[in-house]
Amino acid sequence: NLLESGGGLVQPGGSLRLSCAASGFTFRSYAMSWVRQAPGKGLEWVSGIGDGGGAIFYGDSVRGRFTISRDNSENTLYLQMNNLRVEDTAIYYCAKDFRPGARDNWFDLWGQGTLVNVSS
Amino acid sequence: SSELTQAPAMSVALGQTVRITCQGDSLRLFYSSWYQKKPGQAPKLVAYGRGIRASGIPERFSAYSSGNTASLTISETQAEDEADYYCNSRDSIGNHVIFGGGTKVTVL
Repeated sequence: NLLESGGGLVQPGGSLRLSCAASGFTFRSYAMSWVRQAPGKGLEWVSGIGDGGGAIFYGDSVRGRFTISRDNSENTLYLQMNNLRVEDTAIYYCAKDFRPGARDNWFDLWGQGTLVNVSS
Repeated sequence: SSELTQAPAMSVALGQTVRITCQGDSLRLFYSSWYQKKPGQAPKLVAYGRGIRASGIPERFSAYSSGNTASLTISETQAEDEADYYCNSRDSIGNHVIFGGGTKVTVL
């Protein structure tokens, strides 16, 4: 299972830290990603991180503002979001890559999502 | 370019077949995967790689890819198949994941 937390209402320019608690699989063996869906919009990949914490990548819309990290001892994925904008309003999902040790775009396990609302 | 193009919407009669396509240059380099998204639910992996159905997905779902086009076909469409369907792949460099804009499938 994947369980996100940390979403909420924040003013533009503010910060939030999302967490994703993993259970039921060997977390340290899988790359992970954050994917979001803005209201009425499609899915957008936000960021991904390799199984060991290296190989970090960001989407163009969040690079320089968001930071992905993971704690394999705590089976938890994080997303630190700074300088938030109205257009960052979305449900944020964490997602697990399908194959251990690989960085595919095949996400076979998703959390239920956490809502981030950036508004003044 | 690093974009995946899907038709915004399609409709299909109950019990009939619908084929959803996804086009992009990066599909020549990387396999795609397909997701079903219903309101209020997390996305669900439907197919990945070389047309492999994900665990628990009914056999009426089949995926195929050739050249710059990937497709997801739903045969004998059921009412519960009404959903948004998204393809994804990697960009041309391979570091980033990209999603298509999604196709809303309506079952008549």
